[in-house]
Amino acid sequence: DAGVTQSPTHLIKTRGQHVTLRCSPISGHKSVSWYQQVLGQGPQFIFQYYEKEERGRGNFPDRFSARQFPNYSSELNVNALLLGDSALYLCASSLTGNQPQHFGDGTRLSIL
Amino acid sequence: QQPVQSPQAVILREGEDAVINCSSSKALYSVHWYRQKHGEAPVFLMILLKGGEQKGHDKISASFNEKKQQSSLYLTASQLSYSGTYFCGTDEGIGDYKLSFGAGTTVTVRA
Repeated sequence: DAGVTQSPTHLIKTRGQHVTLRCSPISGHKSVSWYQQVLGQGPQFIFQYYEKEERGRGNFPDRFSARQFPNYSSELNVNALLLGDSALYLCASSLTGNQPQHFGDGTRLSIL
Repeated sequence: QQPVQSPQAVILREGEDAVINCSSSKALYSVHWYRQKHGEAPVFLMILLKGGEQKGHDKISASFNEKKQQSSLYLTASQLSYSGTYFCGTDEGIGDYKLSFGAGTTVTVRA
């Protein structure tokens, strides 16, 4: 079975631009979570969606938004990019909310 | 609130044991443990629910002390493949779901 897939793998943007990151969960998983991981730190929780509804939100500004589609795939959108948004963005899926998280390989976002 | 992990780093020789601790100031519903190798995604190791149960996976096991809001990960008879950064993730189980990860413990196992 395919694991969690994320696209794109790498992305370079400039300050002020907008970015959309995509995630396809493992088949049968209804929950998708997004995390930001800065080099040398643990993943920071951004959002969790379950059955297309937002079920959890971390301490990130309103520039960050996400949604989940009927097929359970998800998008993370970040507006007005800042240099500090440079990070590895990880998507994880699970059967339900409080279940083992299966991570994708991430999208490496670099802001110039 | 982020859990606190200790130590930050540990170096082992093959066959040695190590303990990684994870503590929270909040009451916890569950603790998750993951291992991340350089340049790769975190990989799930085990989840512990409140109740103080201990779990094991091969020679890696963990415990959860509900009263102290602490969890420990035990690496027994370490192998080269155990090298990586270990993260604990904690969930308070209140209202919306939110998994908070610690800063990680880097484990290096040498031959």
